[in-house]
Amino acid sequence: GIQVEQSPPDLILQEGANSTLRCNFSDSVNNLQWFHQNPWGQLINLFYIPSGTKQNGRLSATTVATERYSLLYISSSQTTDSGVYFCAGSSGGSNYKLTFGKGTLLTVNP
Amino acid sequence: DAGVIQSPRHEVTEMGQEVTLRCKPISGHNSLFWYRQTMMRGLELLIYFNNNVPIDDSGMPEDRFSAKMPNASFSTLKIQPSEPRDSAVYFCASSLDRGLEAFFGQGTRLTVV
Repeated sequence: GIQVEQSPPDLILQEGANSTLRCNFSDSVNNLQWFHQNPWGQLINLFYIPSGTKQNGRLSATTVATERYSLLYISSSQTTDSGVYFCAGSSGGSNYKLTFGKGTLLTVNP
Repeated sequence: DAGVIQSPRHEVTEMGQEVTLRCKPISGHNSLFWYRQTMMRGLELLIYFNNNVPIDDSGMPEDRFSAKMPNASFSTLKIQPSEPRDSAVYFCASSLDRGLEAFFGQGTRLTVV
């Protein structure tokens, strides 16, 4: 299966700051998702983005499939953005099997 | 739609007991997944069903684990007998079809003492 690496592993921001989270994968993906795991443990879907760019409010994501990476942008961060951000991808014949990165732990301080 | 529904939310059981986790996928989704999250191993796929048929169970850790999907709206993950190392958060997820966006339930936090 594919390998998924996320960076940075930890990030501390002041409220209002912007940030970029990165996800590298070892092979071409045909499914790429970003999730936010909130402090209660829920996995919230942010983006389904095998390629291209999408925006949803203060969040946007870009996947460059040919270069095997995806970026998640958070603008004007809020304390409620705190939690762990995961990217997950799948490829080839196992396109159902999401492989998760280890996550980025984001802490937004007031 | 109410999303993927899992029960119970929390389960505490003694070593050796049988544990059954339940999942109701989103209506109309033909793909169902069971994932496990631990500090050591992160999130990993245990089993994948398509149209109620188990397609990939290579992630099931050992014979103590079994999963069924008797119909399109219900699945169970059973651990018998349970062991302390099974303590984890178990997630159920579903997607409209394989390879499409997966949606996760709220998880079951299992503690085996």
